[in-house]
Amino acid sequence: GESVGLHLPTLSVQEGDNSIINCAYSNSASDYFIWYKQESGKGPQFIIDIRSNMDKRQGQRVTVLLNKTVKHLSLQIAATHPGDSAVIFCSESDDLGGNNRLAFGKGNQVVVIP
Amino acid sequence: DSGVTQTPKHLITATGQRVTLRCSPRSGDLSVYWYQQSLDQGLQFLIQYYNGEERAKGNILERFSAQQFPDLHSELNLSSLELGDSALYFCASSVLGTPSSGANVLTFGAGSRLTVL
Repeated sequence: GESVGLHLPTLSVQEGDNSIINCAYSNSASDYFIWYKQESGKGPQFIIDIRSNMDKRQGQRVTVLLNKTVKHLSLQIAATHPGDSAVIFCSESDDLGGNNRLAFGKGNQVVVIP
Repeated sequence: DSGVTQTPKHLITATGQRVTLRCSPRSGDLSVYWYQQSLDQGLQFLIQYYNGEERAKGNILERFSAQQFPDLHSELNLSSLELGDSALYFCASSVLGTPSSGANVLTFGAGSRLTVL
């Protein structure tokens, strides 16, 4: 399948273990953050989002933590399985709800080892 | 299937040529976005349309243009192609809500891979 081919940081995790992907942002006006994953040959897919008035949000097997003080967010994926192997992107926007000017990070390659 | 349809999936052309990439947004979505994903730049926002009108511009070259038609499908036109234009081009769509309703989740298509030789 197709791949982005970027020289991305790679996180290798054993199947069943938890994985944590970190993301730093620089725009202090950013008020909305979304995590996407991109599997080989596909477009980015929504994982979970968080607004700046929250510091934690949980979904199914995923938790996003936001620390606005240090402009850092993380994505925790519980009990990873091979289907979680993908490039994981964080994105930020400074226009909540309106003009969706998302800026994407380059991503982390997550490899789940069976 | 995300509901966003992009054609063609693959396109090989020569420098100096012009190509058109097409996108049909997910049913009910009024806003269309174009992104370029290249080897060294990651995912870069190009341009956004909402209900037929240009809404936001990103790092789109003057050689590139886009439009959204009354049926809400969109086309991205790339002209005077250069080797560096080789990339994956993604279309995404969203329902553009009001600021009070929260932000919009983008739904991406599978992309069009452009190779310029």
